[in-house]
Amino acid sequence: AQTVTQSQPEMSVQEAETVTLSCTYDTSENNYYLFWYKQPPSRQMILVIRQEAYKQQNATENRFSVNFQKAAKSFSLKISDSQLGDTAMYFCAFPSGGSNYKLTFGKGTLLTVNP
Amino acid sequence: DAGVTQSPTHLIKTRGQQVTLRCSPISGHKSVSWYQQVLGQGPQFIFQYYEKEERGRGNFPDRFSARQFPNYSSELNVNALLLGDSALYLCASSLTGVGPYGYTFGSGTRLTVV
Repeated sequence: AQTVTQSQPEMSVQEAETVTLSCTYDTSENNYYLFWYKQPPSRQMILVIRQEAYKQQNATENRFSVNFQKAAKSFSLKISDSQLGDTAMYFCAFPSGGSNYKLTFGKGTLLTVNP
Repeated sequence: DAGVTQSPTHLIKTRGQQVTLRCSPISGHKSVSWYQQVLGQGPQFIFQYYEKEERGRGNFPDRFSARQFPNYSSELNVNALLLGDSALYLCASSLTGVGPYGYTFGSGTRLTVV
């Protein structure tokens, strides 16, 4: 079975500091996309950043970047200059089962940014 | 442009009842997916519909059914509700499948079964 593991149920960080959320996954596919979603208390899942597995360059979106290690099947999210609005659940996800329609999510990491 | 809209936002039902949840995708998106998110867990895939046809189904009982209409909106129906069906139900839309940009999610319907 293709799975996604987020080993940190909760994390906290001080405002303006940097934090890294970890994610490992299991797949037999070679070409795929990986996603990090953010879910604030408003409940809406918001796409934070995506990574194409066939690209070696790590994706970056403003304060958000990933460390993608394809051989290790690791896909961590780094948030720089943390802001209070970054407080949310963060989910790692990827299309599983060779499909292009079914996303498999990890259990999530609750990130709290403290003032 | 309006995002993915779901209705109702909250719902309370009694065990054994039936419920219908509704979703309107982003204009131009032909794919709608449904996910169940139990408290403290990541979303679990229920269905995907594309061009009004079921493309995939997750590991959910036959009490769960869905359909997609000609305007690409969708309904999720759950019959014979159980306490364990209490969850946040998320609708996601995309042009076709997951693709390189993932899904756009709605804010969900919070279903409570008592």
